[in-house]
Amino acid sequence: DTEVTQTPKHLVMGMTNKKSLKCEQHMGHRAMYWYKQKAKKPPELMFVYSYEKLSINESVPSRFSPECPNSSLLNLHLHALQPEDSALYLCASSQGGTQNTEAFFGQGTRLTVV
Amino acid sequence: AQTVTQSQPEMSVQEAETVTLSCTYDTSESDYYLFWYKQPPSRQMILVIRQEAYKQQNATENRFSVNFQKAAKSFSLKISDSQLGDAAMYFCALNFGNEKLTFGTGTRLTIIP
Repeated sequence: DTEVTQTPKHLVMGMTNKKSLKCEQHMGHRAMYWYKQKAKKPPELMFVYSYEKLSINESVPSRFSPECPNSSLLNLHLHALQPEDSALYLCASSQGGTQNTEAFFGQGTRLTVV
Repeated sequence: AQTVTQSQPEMSVQEAETVTLSCTYDTSESDYYLFWYKQPPSRQMILVIRQEAYKQQNATENRFSVNFQKAAKSFSLKISDSQLGDAAMYFCALNFGNEKLTFGTGTRLTIIP
């Protein structure tokens, strides 16, 4: 099973809403990632969890709040977003640690902020 | 800092023909991994091929192969017998065995029937 599952696939939210994006993997990977991707651009790293601890935060605004409940799950909590936050949000996972190589990606959540 | 450059924003190829996508990178490290990812309109980033820098032999996966020139810091992707399903955005990426992937800006590949 080389699958990373993201829900929902599409999300429309108002600027005052609170919503969450979910990501799940069952490959035994110990590193999980959130990326943001704008149209026709490469993914931009937002957060990395390594062994369930936040290891990288790429200076992401606090209206994005990640959570890693266990080694298989990763959430991204959204609150008071701006229209410019509309993008494709990709979750990924990799083996982690010193054996970290390729990342496996989910299909993404297309987020629209209105 | 490491950088990855894809100098071809768009490429097109006739179905069944061969196309090569270019990627150059800059790093002072000697051990690293290089990847090509494909992102079709379905949005999912799919790993196409990977190359370990310590391996001299070029990686091959079915119709996909790379030309890895470590001294020149070049990592091109050759797609043979192009198929309609190969149409996608292709990203070259660099990793040092840690948690950071550095992506190039991407090449949009169009397949002409």
